[in-house]
Amino acid sequence: KAGVTQTPRYLIKTRGQQVTLSCSPISGHRSVSWYQQTPGQGLQFLFEYFSETQRNKGNFPGRFSGRQFSNSRSEMNVSTLELGDSALYLCASSPTGQNTEAFFGQGTRLTVV
Amino acid sequence: AQTVTQSQPEMSVQEAETVTLSCTYDTSESNYYLFWYKQPPSRQMILVIRQEAYKQQNATENRFSVNFQKAAKSFSLKISDSQLGDTAMYFCAFKFTSGTYKYIFGTGTRLKVLA
Repeated sequence: KAGVTQTPRYLIKTRGQQVTLSCSPISGHRSVSWYQQTPGQGLQFLFEYFSETQRNKGNFPGRFSGRQFSNSRSEMNVSTLELGDSALYLCASSPTGQNTEAFFGQGTRLTVV
Repeated sequence: AQTVTQSQPEMSVQEAETVTLSCTYDTSESNYYLFWYKQPPSRQMILVIRQEAYKQQNATENRFSVNFQKAAKSFSLKISDSQLGDTAMYFCAFKFTSGTYKYIFGTGTRLKVLA
């Protein structure tokens, strides 16, 4: 069974631009969560999607958004990039999100210059 | 609010020795899940072990075991017979059983296994 796939692996963007990151969950998993990992703040929850609906949201500004498609693939978008958005963005999938551990992808390393 | 604290930023251990990583957490919930995840240089978070709070028995997975002290809100990870491949960042994480399905992670412990 293929694992969680995140694309691209690396990304360099300029301040003010926008970026879209993609996550393909494990087949059959309907819950997809996104986390931001930085040296200063650690791992912080962005949002969780289940069956195309955002079910939970972390404490991030509105510049961070996401969506989930009918095949459970998810994208997250960051608009008007700031230097502080430089981070490793991790996606995690699980069958339902509840009562189960999540499986993580290898992340997308975003650098904002 | 739930918090997870890992007080050891870095640790090292000799190959084949045993090491214990500490984790404490704070919650008013009576039922929840606790996890240890490993993040090697490849960046992928890998589940090491999981513990349900309602289970008194400590979880074990091969060379990995936990010491879960619910009253003390402590969840330490013991790695026996350490191997070079155990070198990684280790994160302790808390998860609710209902409502919100997010993980709350600690700040991590960087473990280096020395040959």
